[in-house]
Amino acid sequence: AQSVTQLGSHVSVSEGALVLLRCNYSSSVPPYLFWYVQYPNQGLQLLLKYTTGATLVKGINGFEAEFKKSETSFHLTKPSAHMSDAAEYFCAVSGGIKAAGNKLTFGGGTRVLVKP
Amino acid sequence: EAQVTQNPRYLITVTGKKLTVTCSQNMNHEYMSWYRQDPGLGLRQIYYSMNVEVTDKGDVPEGYKVSRKEKRNFPLILESPSPNQTSLYFCASSSHGVSGNTIYFGEGSWLTVV
Repeated sequence: AQSVTQLGSHVSVSEGALVLLRCNYSSSVPPYLFWYVQYPNQGLQLLLKYTTGATLVKGINGFEAEFKKSETSFHLTKPSAHMSDAAEYFCAVSGGIKAAGNKLTFGGGTRVLVKP
Repeated sequence: EAQVTQNPRYLITVTGKKLTVTCSQNMNHEYMSWYRQDPGLGLRQIYYSMNVEVTDKGDVPEGYKVSRKEKRNFPLILESPSPNQTSLYFCASSSHGVSGNTIYFGEGSWLTVV
């Protein structure tokens, strides 16, 4: 079984400040890890993913995440927040393509508020 | 353009009135899933399909049915909707291959059961 915990359901940051969203996972198989963003009243957009290889993953919109196996973490960061980063962010884990139809297990989400 | 298309996007219905949410993908993907999104719970898998005529329950299948008669389509059926099925629903598809485990999501279907 897999699970994902996102620490903090709401995060408030000032424009220009560091964005740090925490994600810890558990998985009985080597995980594939994802971060998705959801803007108000919209669908899911993939920010970045880790499958294999380099543990520091760069995504869209200046976001990056680092896979740390020893800490079972996949925290998302962005050096400088922009007003357009206000959204809800989801961390997800997959056991791969043959695990329940490539099932994603999601965390509960973190809503980011950016203050001017 | 690679797409997962869901319909309807928005629906308000009454308790007990059967409804179907359609999902179609144009990428010839083997794997398809339905998820529901609820506040604080993220997305949870309802049903999935590994290929045509192969479906199985996900984490929250109660009250739902699915079918996979064609590779491109994976409709979600609510035979007798209840208010606790009010949610945002997403269809997803993916394939093994060189895409690096890319999962494509539809735009979501907002369902309200009154």
